[in-house]
Amino acid sequence: DAGVIQSPRHEVTEMGQEVTLRCKPISGHDYLFWYRQTMMRGLELLIYFNNNVPIDDSGMPEDRFSAKMPNASFSTLKIQPSEPRDSAVYFCASTPGAGQNSPLHFGNGTRLTVT
Amino acid sequence: QKEVEQNSGPLSVPEGAIASLNCTYSDRVSQSFFWYRQYSGKSPELIMSIYSNGDKEDGRFTAQLNKASQYVSLLIRDSQPSDSATYLCAIKVGGYNKLIFGAGTRLAVHP
Repeated sequence: DAGVIQSPRHEVTEMGQEVTLRCKPISGHDYLFWYRQTMMRGLELLIYFNNNVPIDDSGMPEDRFSAKMPNASFSTLKIQPSEPRDSAVYFCASTPGAGQNSPLHFGNGTRLTVT
Repeated sequence: QKEVEQNSGPLSVPEGAIASLNCTYSDRVSQSFFWYRQYSGKSPELIMSIYSNGDKEDGRFTAQLNKASQYVSLLIRDSQPSDSATYLCAIKVGGYNKLIFGAGTRLAVHP
């Protein structure tokens, strides 16, 4: 299995532009998570899906952020408009189920820089 | 109070020593606890999970859980320079399938 695949690996954009981050979970995994990591705040859970349905989006910082999962093999995280404080590494992760023996498998992350 | 608390470090230990990493949590209902290792510029990777009070050993790693005191720790025996990384404690929030992470402890093992 190729693991969780994220694209792009790096994104540099100007303030005010729209940014779209993409994720392909591991086939057969029912849960998909979006995390953001910064030095100041660590690894924060933004939103997670179960069977393509958003379950908890309480970590989404504000309305500029939105996430979708149109099918079991694809999810997007969109920021519109982007701001410099959105600069971070964004990780996507997936897990096969909710049981104890269902660890998170992380993608390689997208490093976002907003100038 | 944060849900998961860790000392940010850095924790510096000599090669061959035991490294002890600690974590406290606030959610009394949590039943699943994890330690992830993250090398600089890389994604977190799972190294240990623990669900019951007591110790769980896997090679040079031992996870310890005390639910009454709400802490979980990770011991690394015979520390190697390759163990130098940030170690993230994570708990599965009770009743939900979401993993909340601590800020991480940076470990430096020097030869």
